Amino acid sequence: QKEVEQDPGPLSVPEGAIVSLNCTYSNSAFQYFMWYRQYSRKGPELLMYTYSSGNKEDGRFTAQVDKSSKYISLFIRDSQPSDSATYLCAMSANSGGSNYKLTFGKGTLLTVNP
Amino acid sequence: GAVVSQHPSWVICKSGTSVKIECRSLDFQATTMFWYRQFPKQSLMLMATSNEGSKATYEQGVEKDKFLINHASLTLSTLTVTSAHPEDSSFYICSAQPLLAGFSYEQYFGPGTRLTVT
Repeated sequence: QKEVEQDPGPLSVPEGAIVSLNCTYSNSAFQYFMWYRQYSRKGPELLMYTYSSGNKEDGRFTAQVDKSSKYISLFIRDSQPSDSATYLCAMSANSGGSNYKLTFGKGTLLTVNP
Repeated sequence: GAVVSQHPSWVICKSGTSVKIECRSLDFQATTMFWYRQFPKQSLMLMATSNEGSKATYEQGVEKDKFLINHASLTLSTLTVTSAHPEDSSFYICSAQPLLAGFSYEQYFGPGTRLTVT
């Protein structure tokens, strides 16, 4: 079983739809959870990060973490064509020292149609 | 702010030759830089972690003699793929962790370098 599982999609939605992106993980030591957006042939861009469980909202984006279920989500409200990209979840264990390694999901390709 | 550049953005080389990829943090100093490899429709796989002035730490399965990393300063790290073979063709992405990070896992990614070995 991979440490981080993410449905690669592709996911296609109409403009204005609510998008739900999800990842599951197996390593209970993960405590930091991040979502990145990656446009084609570009490096990932950090969207949001969350420590431990709970929700975090930033504009049209909401990140949720459920550590009991080892499940994280990213919701995008009022989706726009400019949101079309690959969304990657990433997580890291708080192992102390300088170990800031991230473990990524495969990414979900999202297309928002005008 | 927090811009990371990579050079070149795309390189084609012949099998057996070596290729150097540069990663620069343009407007901040980076304590740590990371090198990732990404195959089509696959996730980013961490290859190695480098700290300025120290030897890089390689992930299991990554050949340190094949992927040479030099972290010369707080703004520059280089990855050299030695004796490249077609199976090394991939998208190589670096990231940099700021010296004064807002949170422990804050990293900024470069735009990536597409390597094609013929």
